[in-house]
Amino acid sequence: NAGVMQNPRHLVRRRGQEARLRCSPMKGHSHVYWYRQLPEEGLKFMVYLQKENIIDESGMPKERFSAEFPKEGPSILRIQQVVRGDSAAYFCASSPGINSGGRPYEQYFGPGTRLTVT
Amino acid sequence: QQQVKQSPQSLIVQKGGISIINCAYENTAFDYFPWYQQFPGKGPALLIAIRPDVSEKKEGRFTISFNKSAKQFSLHIMDSQPGDSATYFCAAPRVGTALIFGKGTTLSVSS
Repeated sequence: NAGVMQNPRHLVRRRGQEARLRCSPMKGHSHVYWYRQLPEEGLKFMVYLQKENIIDESGMPKERFSAEFPKEGPSILRIQQVVRGDSAAYFCASSPGINSGGRPYEQYFGPGTRLTVT
Repeated sequence: QQQVKQSPQSLIVQKGGISIINCAYENTAFDYFPWYQQFPGKGPALLIAIRPDVSEKKEGRFTISFNKSAKQFSLHIMDSQPGDSATYFCAAPRVGTALIFGKGTTLSVSS
């Protein structure tokens, strides 16, 4: 499967627990974006990362949320002390990047992780 | 504030008809305008995209029309089919190339 992979697909957490969402970009893609989708709403940008660097985190809540994209392994979106308002679908997208020879603006989305906080 | 405004919110079209979804943007620095299609429980899939140096792009039954002076672009689905029933999002890149999405249009194609 050469597409963007996300796991888990569904995650249930109780209030106060931690949620870890993983994203493996498409092969050859070095840029990762995280978006959140609330029911009946569009997708909201959260954070943009390249390997070992956070490029833009202006859409990320200031507290409890963090993201990383290590040199090896998937990108991780981490939500600490989850609250009911964090219940949403979280999507990861990847793109090739300007210097990769691909179309830098084309973002390809994974299937999402649906987080439910009880 | 950078925004992309999408309309209508929902659309019902007869099979074989033309579906038209419109988007307007504010930031003239945007230089890439994709449309995404999303089925329930799935991730958005890139459908078609246009750069502002052309006024129209067609791929199969899907066409983007772009009006730079009006800062508007639209998606036309010709010969709409029940399998086209989905939610469609327009988008534009903000600084740093993260996408700003419209709120989506839910299309239902009746047979």
